[in-house]
Amino acid sequence: DGGITQSPKYLFRKEGQNVTLSCEQNLNHDAMYWYRQDPGQGLRLIYYSQIVNDFQKGDIAEGYSVSREKKESFPLTVTSAQKNPTAFYLCASSTGTVSYEQYFGPGTRLTVT
Amino acid sequence: QQPVQSPQAVILREGEDAVINCSSSKALYSVHWYRQKHGEAPVFLMILLKGGEQKGHDKISASFNEKKQQSSLYLTASQLSYSGTYFCGANAGGTSYGKLTFGQGTILTVHP
Repeated sequence: DGGITQSPKYLFRKEGQNVTLSCEQNLNHDAMYWYRQDPGQGLRLIYYSQIVNDFQKGDIAEGYSVSREKKESFPLTVTSAQKNPTAFYLCASSTGTVSYEQYFGPGTRLTVT
Repeated sequence: QQPVQSPQAVILREGEDAVINCSSSKALYSVHWYRQKHGEAPVFLMILLKGGEQKGHDKISASFNEKKQQSSLYLTASQLSYSGTYFCGANAGGTSYGKLTFGQGTILTVHP
């Protein structure tokens, strides 16, 4: 079955630690995205990548970093510089960009205390 | 800038209709619509491209008014399964190619 996997589903970390969220897709999609969702709010774009070895900052990139070394993988690192990291993180992918639907993974709920 | 969705919440009885609006202050190239159930990933509904087209499948359709930079999602004869939060995602094209900015969401609740 083709799809997007994110792991783990729930993640707990202590303040001051970096943490990496996994996102893998086997849909052969070129574009991949990371969003953050806070309770009662919409999705805010953190980073996106249109091709391997290339990525662009979204609206809230500060405190986050990404890499795109393989087409199927787009891990997100939440660094200690991110002031309020507790949130629901969603990864998505699409065949192209503007006129193509985005497929979302199941999400990772990160709690930092 | 984030598109503005209205209303913020809608409560319906099964069989009733609803309209959700998404307005942008920027010229748009495309608008995406998604539905999200609580604790789950958003699910794609449809995309509308610049040109003022209208699309639909089953009892859910949408329009895109280029002059007003507004898209509307129409849900007719609502079913219990329509409950969830609806998001519009706007793309301005140009240098923002590939980037969607989502509205704050509209919570739709359908009661029996």
